[in-house]
Amino acid sequence: DTGVSQDPRHKITKRGQNVTFRCDPISEHNRLYWYRQTLGQGPEFLTYFQNEAQLEKSRLLSDRFSAERPKGSFSTLEIQRTEQGDSAMYLCASSLPRLAGREDTQYFGPGTRLTVL
Amino acid sequence: GQNIDQPTEMTATEGAIVQINCTYQTSGFNGLFWYQQHAGEAPTFLSYNVLDGLEEKGRFSSFLSRSKGYSYLLLKELQMKDSASYLCAVSYNAGNMLTFGGGTRLMVKP
Repeated sequence: DTGVSQDPRHKITKRGQNVTFRCDPISEHNRLYWYRQTLGQGPEFLTYFQNEAQLEKSRLLSDRFSAERPKGSFSTLEIQRTEQGDSAMYLCASSLPRLAGREDTQYFGPGTRLTVL
Repeated sequence: GQNIDQPTEMTATEGAIVQINCTYQTSGFNGLFWYQQHAGEAPTFLSYNVLDGLEEKGRFSSFLSRSKGYSYLLLKELQMKDSASYLCAVSYNAGNMLTFGGGTRLMVKP
């Protein structure tokens, strides 16, 4: 399977604990995005990387959230001191940059469903 | 600000045609995407419009009018497996981030 993969698929944790999620993008894609989706809503943008550089962060990304992409390949998203409001599906997507004649379609991974008790 | 509106739910009959509308007001526009999302699964890419007009892909077509801030997704010959949420998203900024609407849950009935 050469699509976007995410690990774990499900995570249950207690309030106050730290969690880390991993995303492996499609191998030739140099852009990687993180989104959060709650039930019945569309995904909301959190942050994105081009290669190893984190170029944009949403105001949704509080200081308890940190994301890395150390070698420009896989990425991790860490949430410290989790709160019940962090319960959501965390989606990762990857793409190539938009160029003339080429779409910049983002392809999504299966997501990590986080439940904070 | 970013605002994308689409109906919350729609119901249609197997074999019929359904049109899902999307209106948007965004600061910046690089293109408009439609994704399909089955419950508990990831969004999967359906279509992309950057110029005004109709893009056709098999049973699915998507239309864009940039001057009106309007798009629609047309699904023909509906099948039961088309029951899903359909997400309208606008790509903006140099990073091509996506702003999504809330999604339209389509129920296809026999």
